[in-house]
Amino acid sequence: QVQLQQSGPGLVKPSETLSLICNVSGYSISSGYYWGWIRQPPGKGLEWIGHVYNSGTTYYSPSLKSRVTISVHTSKTQFSLNLSSVTAADTAVYYCARGSSSYYFDHWGRGNLVTVSS
Amino acid sequence: SYDLTQPLSVSVALGQTARITCGGKNIGGKDVHWYQQKAGQAPVLVIHMDSNRPSNIPDRFSGSNSANTATLTISRAQAGDEADYYCQVWDSRTAVFGAGTKLTVL
Repeated sequence: QVQLQQSGPGLVKPSETLSLICNVSGYSISSGYYWGWIRQPPGKGLEWIGHVYNSGTTYYSPSLKSRVTISVHTSKTQFSLNLSSVTAADTAVYYCARGSSSYYFDHWGRGNLVTVSS
Repeated sequence: SYDLTQPLSVSVALGQTARITCGGKNIGGKDVHWYQQKAGQAPVLVIHMDSNRPSNIPDRFSGSNSANTATLTISRAQAGDEADYYCQVWDSRTAVFGAGTKLTVL
């Protein structure tokens, strides 16, 4: 049973970097699939942030590309999201998810609310 | 960027059939995926690649895709189907989500 568990701070100050980690159990990141991040501002819809393949190949949303880094940890059981220079507009629930080769997300973490505020 | 258009809301009577559409230019040429998101929960994949159901999803959920419209059909609607539904495609190396449709079961 694939499970994704996110961790990270719930409050980040403006202009700082938002950092989240997704811990994967029940499946080895090395075995394939894409590993991604999606966010959802309060009361709004889903927004894809980007994802990384086990090889390290990454795809990012054009609107966030200049501020986003997604990477797989050397342990191959975790992957992470770094979003720099955050503003209040980055306040959202952040989900990590496993993506298939057909680019759908079949397993999701429970989500972390991250608030950007001083 | 590729745009997906969903109705803001759809209502269905208990036990009847709900249809939620997802419009996009030539969307019939793309793989469309659908997610259900209940209040306060993470999204759940209900249909992938137009019409394929994950094993844990009831066969009341089905999907189709042709020309400029993809459709998620929920037969024999239940109170537990009340949720937001999102369509999603992959286009130009990006994942694109529709804005979501709120399904109300009356």
